[in-house]
Amino acid sequence: AQSVAQPEDQVNVAEGNPLTVKCTYSVSGNPYLFWYVQYPNRGLQFLLKYITGDNLVKGSYGFEAEFNKSQTSFHLKKPSALVSDSALYFCAVRSGYSSASKIIFGSGTRLSIRP
Amino acid sequence: DAGVTQSPTHLIKTRGQQVTLRCSPKSGHDTVSWYQQALGQGPQFIFQYYEEEERQRGNFPDRFSGHQFPNYSSELNVNALLLGDSALYLCASSLGDRGYTFGSGTRLTVV
Repeated sequence: AQSVAQPEDQVNVAEGNPLTVKCTYSVSGNPYLFWYVQYPNRGLQFLLKYITGDNLVKGSYGFEAEFNKSQTSFHLKKPSALVSDSALYFCAVRSGYSSASKIIFGSGTRLSIRP
Repeated sequence: DAGVTQSPTHLIKTRGQQVTLRCSPKSGHDTVSWYQQALGQGPQFIFQYYEEEERQRGNFPDRFSGHQFPNYSSELNVNALLLGDSALYLCASSLGDRGYTFGSGTRLTVV
């Protein structure tokens, strides 16, 4: 069975500082990893994904994520946080590349950027 | 190019009633997945439809059922509503091995 863990319910960062939102996963087979962001009363917006290749993946709004196979982690990062980055962030995993595999989400991490 | 459209955006139902939620996928997408997101939690997978059939199902009771139409749109039906069914219901569409595009969701409140 596949699963995703986001160990931090909330992350607080000052504007301009780097941010990291942690994610670890468990799947059988090759992982297909995602980060999504959710603003209040809205659906999920895609940020980035890892399929294969370079372990550092760049996505929307200046976010990037680092895939670490040995630690089964896929942490989301940004070099300089903006107040507008404040939102709920979800890590997700799919076992394998087949569209028949469902995507499983973590419990989410609330990112709060203070001015 | 329209994204994923869900209707209605909000609704209130009484315990024991039945509800139908609708989803129109993004143009060109052929697969629809439904998720339930309770307040303060991550989305939980309900089921996925492809070629008008349920292809995968999460850990939800039979009260939750669905349908996919030839134009790829989909419905989620919930019978005998419980207070615990109150949540944001998200529809996501996809094509092949690409990621999902989500709709804005339907907020269901059961009273």
